[in-house]
Amino acid sequence: GAGVSQSPRYKVAKRGQDVALRCDPISGHVSLFWYQQALGQGPEFLTYFQNEAQLDKSGLPSDRFFAERPEGSVSTLKIQRTQQEDSAVYLCASSRTGQGVNEQFFGPGTRLTVL
Amino acid sequence: GNSVTQMEGPVTLSEEAFLTINCTYTATGYPSLFWYVQYPGEGLQLLLKATKADDKGSNKGFEATYRKETTSFHLEKGSVQVSDSAVYFCALTYQKNSGYALNFGKGTSLLVTP
Repeated sequence: GAGVSQSPRYKVAKRGQDVALRCDPISGHVSLFWYQQALGQGPEFLTYFQNEAQLDKSGLPSDRFFAERPEGSVSTLKIQRTQQEDSAVYLCASSRTGQGVNEQFFGPGTRLTVL
Repeated sequence: GNSVTQMEGPVTLSEEAFLTINCTYTATGYPSLFWYVQYPGEGLQLLLKATKADDKGSNKGFEATYRKETTSFHLEKGSVQVSDSAVYFCALTYQKNSGYALNFGKGTSLLVTP
């Protein structure tokens, strides 16, 4: 595709609900990243995939957060039993290869509001 | 650890004014440095980058020089336009298990008035 796309763009959840956020990276990009951006802050790393392998998930805030990329393309970030502190914009980024420093291309983000 | 500190905003300038947004970093090793921009309602876009000391990144009239001696990567533009109004993020890369992730500053909001 032309760029990284994310859906939904906005999600409102009641506390305790489960949510799933989708990321479609640029076609052929090997690496995929998830970031969390709280209001007024910079994005913070959550997790990283190279193809279908999740190589690092050290930024996931709790075991309620789970990410997958089963076929090495589309990725889903799932948050179980959402809490108010989960309210943030969730950004997905992809880059061409897993070697060296490559530009990361960002999607528009999903704004999650937990009531 | 690896971190980025950038000046707090908001920064308000008149059109054609000179812009400086300060950014300093702390890192182990030799990170690459980036400036990303986020226009209202849009996703983050790479503005410029520098991969080693003394490199100068430039794009759309913006410049930043990788200064190892002062651990800085300040963003400058000689004459800002209204269309430059956005949030600017300084970032560095650090290695994460066979890949590289970005560590961002908190962002600096810029408003340029006519």
